[in-house]
Amino acid sequence: RKEVEQDPGPFNVPEGATVAFNCTYSNSASQSFFWYRQDCRKEPKLLMSVYSSGNEDGRFTAQLNRASQYISLLIRDSKLSDSATYLCVVTLSGGSYIPTFGRGTSLIVHP
Amino acid sequence: DGGITQSPKYLFRKEGQNVTLSCEQNLNHDAMYWYRQDPGQGLRLIYYSQIVNDFQKGDIAEGYSVSREKKESFPLTVTSAQKNPTAFYLCASSIDGGEKLFFGSGTQLSVL
Repeated sequence: RKEVEQDPGPFNVPEGATVAFNCTYSNSASQSFFWYRQDCRKEPKLLMSVYSSGNEDGRFTAQLNRASQYISLLIRDSKLSDSATYLCVVTLSGGSYIPTFGRGTSLIVHP
Repeated sequence: DGGITQSPKYLFRKEGQNVTLSCEQNLNHDAMYWYRQDPGQGLRLIYYSQIVNDFQKGDIAEGYSVSREKKESFPLTVTSAQKNPTAFYLCASSIDGGEKLFFGSGTQLSVL
């Protein structure tokens, strides 16, 4: 089983739609969680950190479910510019704190 | 402006040749990482370093080597032992392990 798993998609949604992605992780001792956005052939950029209590940044909401070992990202009122790949990142404990990436979920927002 | 710089943007390697990818950061970050990304795939860790003069292998270190002689520099050498080097290479840094990553703009390596 992979340490961090995401549905690769693509998720194909119309403008204005609400879309949600999940990401599961296998190590229950994982400590830090992030969502990154990556455009084609560009570097990933931090979208938001994910906190235990959940957090919101404009149209984006992130949630952490430690019991079920997954994090989620909700995008409301999708824009064409939201089209990208969304990478889930989990930092595993054990002394090394190495960020581990999921393979990403592709989102395509169409007019 | 503080940031992390990778060079070159594009690099071509001949058979049997070693090539070195540069990564420099002026963020005063302790931790630095090298990732490889293949089309449609996530990022896979090649090497990481959490302190000067120390580095550790990641999941796919075979055929690669690194050095960390200075805090701000973490070059990656793709050796001739790496038989399938064509990929997008990303360097990243963080203040400390477990914190958010800052990425360079990447190097696309191709084989001639």
